[in-house]
Amino acid sequence: EPEVTQTPSHQVTQMGQEVILRCVPISNHLYFYWYRQILGQKVEFLVSFYNNEISEKSEIFDDQFSVERPDGSNFTLKIRSTKLEDSAMYFCASSEGQGGGTEAFFGQGTRLTVV
Amino acid sequence: LAKTTQPISMDSYEGQEVNITCSHNNIATNDYITWYQQFPSQGPRFIIQGYKTKVTNEVASLFIPADRKSSTLSLPRVSLSDTAVYYCLETYGGSQGNLIFGKGTKLSVKP
Repeated sequence: EPEVTQTPSHQVTQMGQEVILRCVPISNHLYFYWYRQILGQKVEFLVSFYNNEISEKSEIFDDQFSVERPDGSNFTLKIRSTKLEDSAMYFCASSEGQGGGTEAFFGQGTRLTVV
Repeated sequence: LAKTTQPISMDSYEGQEVNITCSHNNIATNDYITWYQQFPSQGPRFIIQGYKTKVTNEVASLFIPADRKSSTLSLPRVSLSDTAVYYCLETYGGSQGNLIFGKGTKLSVKP
């Protein structure tokens, strides 16, 4: 069964450092997403990406965040200057379409710990 | 903000049928009801989606009455591996793009 893969599974970084979280969406999918989940809290939408541009973003997705699809397979989330409150699980997801009945597939997540 | 309301937690025993209800009193005409499951330290996983009446797949059934103000996810004969958080979401046109998750229902299945 095709799956969304994320690397690394766990990343520890110092406050103020830049991190890049990587995702390989399912190959025939056209829509890509990032979500985050702070420990013990709910899953929060960050951004959606289609046709090489951001289609929607939440209030959380401020100037310190950026996304990129550098090649035909990877989808990355960059956090420019990490803060302690960025510590969370970050989930990448992809879907073939956005209409009814199309399913969003989530990766296993990257646990980001900012120290 | 999530537009649905569901119990924070539920307990069950192996082999029982579990019904998790969800309230969505102000659901819009174009919104579908979509359920996701999340195991600890894993990403959410789609379970089922419906608009009205009953939908069944290999995992669960979803019952949505005519007024669509509530819905019930039914898990037949649960096992320990069904212990997870279950989320009920309203999705516009069934789209699973910008998903707005609430706190979900934490289901604990005991032996």
